[in-house]
Amino acid sequence: QKEVEQNSGPLSVPEGAIASLNCTYSDRGSQSFFWYRQYSGKSPELIMSIYSNGDKEDGRFTAQLNKASQYVSLLIRDSQPSDSATYLCAAKYSGAGSYQLTFGKGTKLSVIP
Amino acid sequence: DAGITQSPRHKVTETGTPVTLRCHQTENHRYMYWYRQDPGHGLRLIHYSYGVKDTDKGEVSDGYSVSRSKTEDFLLTLESATSSQTSVYFCAISEVGLGYTFGSGTRLTVV
Repeated sequence: QKEVEQNSGPLSVPEGAIASLNCTYSDRGSQSFFWYRQYSGKSPELIMSIYSNGDKEDGRFTAQLNKASQYVSLLIRDSQPSDSATYLCAAKYSGAGSYQLTFGKGTKLSVIP
Repeated sequence: DAGITQSPRHKVTETGTPVTLRCHQTENHRYMYWYRQDPGHGLRLIHYSYGVKDTDKGEVSDGYSVSRSKTEDFLLTLESATSSQTSVYFCAISEVGLGYTFGSGTRLTVV
């Protein structure tokens, strides 16, 4: 069973702080990883993708991948109230059906003004 | 959700009736997916398509069927709706190497 695990939260951080969201995955053959943001009542929106070990930065967002530990994280710097949402981690597995994503259940982030 | 639309956005139907949800894309992406999202379960794959008339089952396919007669359209049918199929349904599209783009979702209530 291919699984993606996330802490459901809620994770509360003060405005301006760094929010750290974590995700682990079960299949060592996973190739690609994605972070989605989902506001309440809306559809998921892709914010970051990462394919190689290390860090990838895009504005206030940094995705980190450690394939040896099967661990993916998302850092949000200078958190804003508008970042309050549920963040979904997803993994694309290798092999048959490799175009499918498996999603974690999401971590709810609350940024307190 | 530029390039992908779902219809209807909301639907209430009675137990035992058939229901069809439509996903339409203008991106010419090869892959299309239907997910359902429920509290405590996250997004779960119902069916997916990797080309015209090429479809396969996901993890929660019982009670659902799909069809894809054109690249741009992917239909999800609930053969005989049950209360357990009350959910939010999302369609998504993708190409090789890319993440998904999701539609706005359909909120289905089975009474």
